[in-house]
Amino acid sequence: DVKVTQSSRYLVKRTGEKVFLECVQDMDHENMFWYRQDPGLGLRLIYFSYDVKMKEKGDIPEGYSVSREKKERFSLILESASTNQTSMYLCASTTTGGNEQFFGPGTRLTVL
Amino acid sequence: GEDVEQSLFLSVREGDSSVINCTYTDSSSTYLYWYKQEPGAGLQLLTYIFSNMDMKQDQRLTVLLNKKDKHLSLRIADTQTGDSAIYFCAERSGGSYIPTFGRGTSLIVHP
Repeated sequence: DVKVTQSSRYLVKRTGEKVFLECVQDMDHENMFWYRQDPGLGLRLIYFSYDVKMKEKGDIPEGYSVSREKKERFSLILESASTNQTSMYLCASTTTGGNEQFFGPGTRLTVL
Repeated sequence: GEDVEQSLFLSVREGDSSVINCTYTDSSSTYLYWYKQEPGAGLQLLTYIFSNMDMKQDQRLTVLLNKKDKHLSLRIADTQTGDSAIYFCAERSGGSYIPTFGRGTSLIVHP
């Protein structure tokens, strides 16, 4: 059974903290994505990666960075968390040319 | 840029058919998708259709594509309470592996 896992389902952090969200996929997919999901706004792409150590900005990269040191793992980093980064964060992966994005269960982050 | 629009809410009675509509602007869209998100979970692909098709049926699900009007619909027959979820429409052109998602339609099924 293919799987995308995320390190935490719920996370509470304080303003200014550095936050790491981890995502791991076991399907040997080349491409990995980080989205945030907010009510009424749908999914917005933060960053994506098409290979190890490669990254591209999505639609809303400000305040975020990413790291992909291994093919199976894609990390989202909030350098200094702010309250407007309170959101649901979804990781996804897909193979190049593949038709389906496989999503993790999401991390609900609250920044106080 | 590309845009995908869908209404935010749909309420139906159990046993009725549900129709969720979506419009898109990218004329080079090759793949059109419907994803389902159950409460507290990530998105899961329900079905997809190629742009050279008009219709696709899979058990209770029927996808209709009007390419001229750039209109996609998802029909769920005999809607059940377990169908209550957010449904996302998405499109992708052949030259990209990044889909563009709509904002999602919350389907509420009441007895």
